[in-house]
Amino acid sequence: DAGVIQSPRHEVTEMGQEVTLRCKPISGHDYLFWYRQTMMRGLELLIYFNNNVPIDDSGMPEDRFSAKMPNASFSTLKIQPSEPRDSAVYFCASKGGGLANTDTQYFGPGTRLTVL
Amino acid sequence: GNSVTQMEGPVTLSEEAFLTINCTYTATGYPSLFWYVQYPGEGLQLLLKATKADDKGSNKGFEATYRKETTSFHLEKGSVQVSDSAVYFCALSSPQTGANNLFFGTGTRLTVIP
Repeated sequence: DAGVIQSPRHEVTEMGQEVTLRCKPISGHDYLFWYRQTMMRGLELLIYFNNNVPIDDSGMPEDRFSAKMPNASFSTLKIQPSEPRDSAVYFCASKGGGLANTDTQYFGPGTRLTVL
Repeated sequence: GNSVTQMEGPVTLSEEAFLTINCTYTATGYPSLFWYVQYPGEGLQLLLKATKADDKGSNKGFEATYRKETTSFHLEKGSVQVSDSAVYFCALSSPQTGANNLFFGTGTRLTVIP
């Protein structure tokens, strides 16, 4: 299994630009999670999906952030417009559901975002 | 609510020293407990877990025991190696949230010197 795949691994952009982060979960996993990691706030859950439907987006910081999951093998996290305080490492994770439900999440390698 | 408090770092140890990283939790009901490890430049990896009281999770020489009476899940290793240098996260998942959310501690950075 290839594991959770994220792209790009690194992104440097200027304030005000749109940023799109991408994630491919492990095949067969029904849950997908987006996290943000910063030195100040640690690891924060932003949003998670079950069967492509957003279940809890209470961690999304503001309207500049949006996430979609158009199908079971792809999700995006978009920031528009980006601000320097959005600089962080963004992780995607997935886990199994249904009959194979498990509470173990599998993380991707992360996208390091720098907003200048 | 659900929360995890873990020992602040950084922790610096010499190779072959004994490691303890403390973790306590607050949760409603009976959560599952986890230790995740993050090596430099990588994502988090599950190190070990325990799903009920008195369970012991173990992996790669690390151990942690689910102690309901003290609401703790301390991570231990008898003899650390340089390759264990990483950030360690304690986490819980609560059945009250459908066991879907993971609540993480702040992480403890471990550096092992030769």
